[in-house]
Amino acid sequence: GQQVMQIPQYQHVQEGEDFTTYCNSSTTLSNIQWYKQRPGGHPVFLIQLVKSGEVKKQKRLTFQFGEAKKNSSLHITATQTTDVGTYFCAGTIQGAQKLVFGQGTRLTINP
Amino acid sequence: KAGVTQTPRYLIKTRGQQVTLSCSPISGHRSVSWYQQTPGQGLQFLFEYFSETQRNKGNFPGRFSGRQFSNSRSEMNVSTLELGDSALYLCASSLRQSGQGNSPLHFGNGTRLTVT
Repeated sequence: GQQVMQIPQYQHVQEGEDFTTYCNSSTTLSNIQWYKQRPGGHPVFLIQLVKSGEVKKQKRLTFQFGEAKKNSSLHITATQTTDVGTYFCAGTIQGAQKLVFGQGTRLTINP
Repeated sequence: KAGVTQTPRYLIKTRGQQVTLSCSPISGHRSVSWYQQTPGQGLQFLFEYFSETQRNKGNFPGRFSGRQFSNSRSEMNVSTLELGDSALYLCASSLRQSGQGNSPLHFGNGTRLTVT
């Protein structure tokens, strides 16, 4: 079926290191959303990308949407312990009324 | 504005029983989606309701069902519970139906169901 693949599944970094998670779809996406779920919490919406090649920044977080609208990435610069959690991407498959979540990347940080 | 409210927060049931979970969306949101989350399994989509109609359905057995009321509140029912149904069940509301425009999901705190 239509899937959105997210890698890596887990990432452990030292505080201050950078972190990137990638999201890939076999089909074109209308848009892509990113969510963060803190341990013990629920997913919280971070951002949405709609345009081909779009780049958006939120402080230390940089979100990109690929030119072909089939992939996306979230990059965190100089991680802090508050960045701990699982990051999910969710893409709307073009032509289908469906939001498909990636499996998530769980980020842990060594202080 | 109040967020998405799910009740109960925790539930313990026995195999074979049935359970009903409730979700009150953000005021004005007409779409309600349900997800199952188990450790290491990400968010598994159950179904989405919009204007009291099921619009999308995931790959879950018929034991999982839901409905939406005219005030957009939604309930999810699981019958003949199995041990594998133990999970966090998350409800999310949004302004528009999935795929119809750019509408983010607002999740509730979830109901943690334990089946013994």
